[in-house]
Amino acid sequence: DAKTTQPPSMDCAEGRAANLPCNHSTISGNEYVYWYRQIHSQGPQYIIHGLKNNETNEMASLIITEDRKSSTLILPHATLRDTAVYYCIVTGTYKYIFGTGTRLKVLA
Amino acid sequence: DAGVIQSPRHEVTEMGQEVTLRCKPISGHDYLFWYRQTMMRGLELLIYFNNNVPIDDSGMPEDRFSAKMPNASFSTLKIQPSEPRDSAVYFCASSPGLEPDTQYFGPGTRLTVL
Repeated sequence: DAKTTQPPSMDCAEGRAANLPCNHSTISGNEYVYWYRQIHSQGPQYIIHGLKNNETNEMASLIITEDRKSSTLILPHATLRDTAVYYCIVTGTYKYIFGTGTRLKVLA
Repeated sequence: DAGVIQSPRHEVTEMGQEVTLRCKPISGHDYLFWYRQTMMRGLELLIYFNNNVPIDDSGMPEDRFSAKMPNASFSTLKIQPSEPRDSAVYFCASSPGLEPDTQYFGPGTRLTVL
């Protein structure tokens, strides 16, 4: 079973920030939080990951709470091309389980 | 680089037939992974290779499934005989290391077994 809980769907207006939450209350000390997305009919694409500090790259920002039991993926200026299913994954190894994810729809 | 290449993109076959899925990893990547994605079970790791050697095949569901990597630029996943419950999207991914953030996925093969 996936170790994470995400809302099934969210909408976001184009140009606005998309904030995608994830709960991972049973995360272990050596486990990272990874985010992937899957655009329709494509393979999963890595976005960002972190252990306990907030992270930012050219695609997104990752905010992890101090107790590490939840995190938020932030797409600062969502575009129509960001419409996809976003997966939050917790793992300390190469093995991970994709849950059902959050289906993000960016609206024009 | 063209990325990970998979063929065919779509495969429709009848129960009992042999199915072979193909993957060409990114050049220079030492690791190759095969995944299966279904609505019910999400994305599952079936097997991975390091330098053409199978390392962990614990995710391979049954003896009907087999995977090979005869060289660094080619891998196959074979199902014989196929069953309707094998219907899924099969992804191949390659990476220079084992870390999840270094994996690049192919476009997948959508398999339908009638």
